[in-house]
Amino acid sequence: SQQGEEDPQALSIQEGENATMNCSYKTSINNLQWYRQNSGRGLVHLILIRSNEREKHSGRLRVTLDTSKKSSSLLITASRAADTASYFCATDAGRGAQKLVFGQGTRLTINP
Amino acid sequence: GAVVSQHPSWVICKSGTSVKIECRSLDFQATTMFWYRQFPKQSLMLMATSNEGSKATYEQGVEKDKFLINHASLTLSTLTVTSAHPEDSSFYICSAPRQAFFGQGTRLTVV
Repeated sequence: SQQGEEDPQALSIQEGENATMNCSYKTSINNLQWYRQNSGRGLVHLILIRSNEREKHSGRLRVTLDTSKKSSSLLITASRAADTASYFCATDAGRGAQKLVFGQGTRLTINP
Repeated sequence: GAVVSQHPSWVICKSGTSVKIECRSLDFQATTMFWYRQFPKQSLMLMATSNEGSKATYEQGVEKDKFLINHASLTLSTLTVTSAHPEDSSFYICSAPRQAFFGQGTRLTVV
């Protein structure tokens, strides 16, 4: 079953604005990851945040993790048309397993 | 960095036929590979874990006899969709245990 719940399901913003996507999960995790998927394509790994980390940055991406609330957010600053894609969070199944449980995803559209 | 190559990227087949999808780790050895399925506008669902030298582990609700998984070597895992039906049309994608690395995915259309 899917563990992650993401909101919003769809987000449409103007180029240059910031985009924030949220992810909630239900069980304890070792880490949480965010991926991007362009339409009909494979997944691109964006960032991994470990359960003992609270915030992580990578370029225009900022990810936060609140294990007390079992939630994470992905912020994309200064959005570009090329950021248009679906974004998924994924959590590991714990106990050293490396299979992932994905959230439902957020479809992000950046309007030029 | 590590690369996972998946082939074919798309395939169209007739109902009742079988289709094999390959997933190769190009620059590292993988004793396990994960296979996911993604229906249009939905998320990825784990189907099974292939294990080199032993049987694959299937997730609940996935038909073992329909989705044959073989971990032929430390660099190759295959998923065969047997007796395909239109409802099997989906996007299939593999990943290596290093969680950052996914294949490009295979879009299967059964007509």
